[in-house]
Amino acid sequence: KAGVTQTPRYLIKTRGQQVTLSCSPISGHRSVSWYQQTPGQGLQFLFEYFSETQRNKGNFPGRFSGRQFSNSRSEMNVSTLELGDSALYLCASSLATTAGSSYNEQFFGPGTRLTVL
Amino acid sequence: LAKTTQPISMDSYEGQEVNITCSHNNIATNDYITWYQQFPSQGPRFIIQGYKTKVTNEVASLFIPADRKSSTLSLPRVSLSDTAVYYCLVGDGDTDKLIFGTGTRLQVFP
Repeated sequence: KAGVTQTPRYLIKTRGQQVTLSCSPISGHRSVSWYQQTPGQGLQFLFEYFSETQRNKGNFPGRFSGRQFSNSRSEMNVSTLELGDSALYLCASSLATTAGSSYNEQFFGPGTRLTVL
Repeated sequence: LAKTTQPISMDSYEGQEVNITCSHNNIATNDYITWYQQFPSQGPRFIIQGYKTKVTNEVASLFIPADRKSSTLSLPRVSLSDTAVYYCLVGDGDTDKLIFGTGTRLQVFP
C-alpha cells in the first residue's frame, strides 16, 4: 500500500507570497490532518479534514486554510507569508472516525519544508 | 488547552532500558495515549498506544497510572537505531484537539 505523499518536498518563498501544499493520503483513509513543525514550537495541529469537511482546527490565523477533495486528497494554503511561517509542514492520514482522538493511528508523509525569505 | 510536556533530551547507551515520561494534565476522558517516533527528515511514526495500566508490543511498553495524567514509554535494550525524537499524543479534554507533547530527543551511544 502506498504511503502518504506530499508535494513539493521543498519550497522557498518570499514574504507576502502565498503557497499551496498538497497531500495524498493512504488509499481508504478519509481523514487528513495537517501539522506545522518548528524547532521552537514543536508539532502543532493546524486542521483536520474528513470527507471534504473541516472537522477540527488549531489555533492558527486565517491565513492558513485548507480543503479536501472527493478523493480525500488535501491541499493547504498559506497566504501573505511571514518569516515565522518557515517550517516543516506535515500531513497525516488515518481512518479517524472520531475527531480529536489519538486512537486511530496517523500515518505521516515526509513533509514539505517551507522557507520564507 | 492541555499542556503536554516531556523532557527535552535523554542520553543512553546501547543495551540499556530507556523510560520517557509525558505529562498530560487535561487528557480527554475517553481518549488514548499514543506515542510516535521521528527520525530526521521523516514524519513521525506510530510506536504504541494505550488507555490505562500497561500495554506492550514488540518494540516498547507503555505505562499509564490510574489518573491518566501522565504516561511512560519504555524502550527495552535500546540500540543506535533508536536515536530519534519521541512524542506523546493525546486529545485535549476541553477542545477535542490533538496535542503533541514537546518531544524528547533520545541519543543512544555505543
